[in-house]
Amino acid sequence: GAVVSQHPSWVICKSGTSVKIECRSLDFQATTMFWYRQFPKQSLMLMATSNEGSKATYEQGVEKDKFLINHASLTLSTLTVTSAHPEDSSFYICSARGVKGDTEAFFGQGTRLTVV
Amino acid sequence: GQNIDQPTEMTATEGAIVQINCTYQTSGFNGLFWYQQHAGEAPTFLSYNVLDGLEEKGRFSSFLSRSKGYSYLLLKELQMKDSASYLCAGLDSNYQLIWGAGTKLIIKP
Repeated sequence: GAVVSQHPSWVICKSGTSVKIECRSLDFQATTMFWYRQFPKQSLMLMATSNEGSKATYEQGVEKDKFLINHASLTLSTLTVTSAHPEDSSFYICSARGVKGDTEAFFGQGTRLTVV
Repeated sequence: GQNIDQPTEMTATEGAIVQINCTYQTSGFNGLFWYQQHAGEAPTFLSYNVLDGLEEKGRFSSFLSRSKGYSYLLLKELQMKDSASYLCAGLDSNYQLIWGAGTKLIIKP
């Protein structure tokens, strides 16, 4: 299967700072990337969907000014958590899909964010 | 609205068989996925069904009935390493994945 690399795997940051998470498709062009958040013992919650070269579509309740998503190329999307607070501590996962209409989405390894 | 329902938790014995059910309601339908997720890790793909019937892949099989909005994941010859959460997800008409909350499967010796 296709490979999606997410970096970093875990990060600890101080409250008020910003953290950038990268998601790269290594062997295919990702026309669509999805960013999810998962709190302990809960399912994945879609935060936003981004298509290469256009603005991300955020799910209801997700602050677009706090969670900045950039999908500037077909192989890279970034999620920046700005002015992070302890309640932003979570597991963030990206997934990528190739050609529109492709069914399978390939997941990154996830990033464990802890804000202290 | 769109909804995916699956049991919260199941327990089974090593070596046995377990069936995890999933019912779905989505706006349009482009298939149903099953993913396995170990604690602290990202989900990994198990199966994809878009036509009615049973798809077998080693110890794991997945079944779909579109008329009933129903799917199940069947795990045979259970091993301790199968202890994980199993996520059911439907693909809607916009090719967006609608996720269930996951079923935590506990395997006992």
